[in-house]
Amino acid sequence: EDKVVQSPLSLVVHEGDTVTLNCSYEVTNFRSLLWYKQEKKAPTFLFMLTSSGIEKKSGRLSSILDKKELFSILNITATQTGDSAVYLCAVEALRNQFYFGTGTSLTVIP
Amino acid sequence: ETGVTQTPRHLVMGMTNKKSLKCEQHLGHNAMYWYKQSAKKPLELMFVYNFKEQTENNSVPSRFSPECPNSSHLFLHLHTLQPEDSALYLCASSQDGQQNNQPQHFGDGTRLSIL
Repeated sequence: EDKVVQSPLSLVVHEGDTVTLNCSYEVTNFRSLLWYKQEKKAPTFLFMLTSSGIEKKSGRLSSILDKKELFSILNITATQTGDSAVYLCAVEALRNQFYFGTGTSLTVIP
Repeated sequence: ETGVTQTPRHLVMGMTNKKSLKCEQHLGHNAMYWYKQSAKKPLELMFVYNFKEQTENNSVPSRFSPECPNSSHLFLHLHTLQPEDSALYLCASSQDGQQNNQPQHFGDGTRLSIL
């Protein structure tokens, strides 16, 4: 059975901390792994990863994929209260199939 | 503004009612998707349309009926729903559903409550 597992389920940190969110997967016909940020509304796209070992960065956020060990991490440095959200990991497979994890709920305290 | 608009934002209906959810995308995409998001569960892909043709139906009960009249509009018709169908229904679009490695853009969702 195809599945995506995220950890931890929730996390509370103070502003300025660095956090690492984990995503492991078992998906047949893997094509890409995606990270989304969901606040109270629509999930917004952060990163798409297709190749192992190549870090993608956007400001304080970065992500990397390990296709051998079947996982990805999302790092957020110098966290801010605006980073509080649910972070979703998804894996795209063949035939327009997308498998999502349950998400990691991040709360950043001032 | 994500370029994907869903209406209504909230919907409360009885189990015997018939209602429809609407999604419209202004991004020029060719693929559209319906997802169900329940509390503490992963997003569940329900339907996929690519160039107006349904390409996926992930064992969704027949009380959910999708319609895609063109590449910009997607509907989800609801009838005789059950309490467990209460959830956030998200619509998404992507450039071309047959080409992999393209991110989806999501709407804000319709919060559906079944009485």
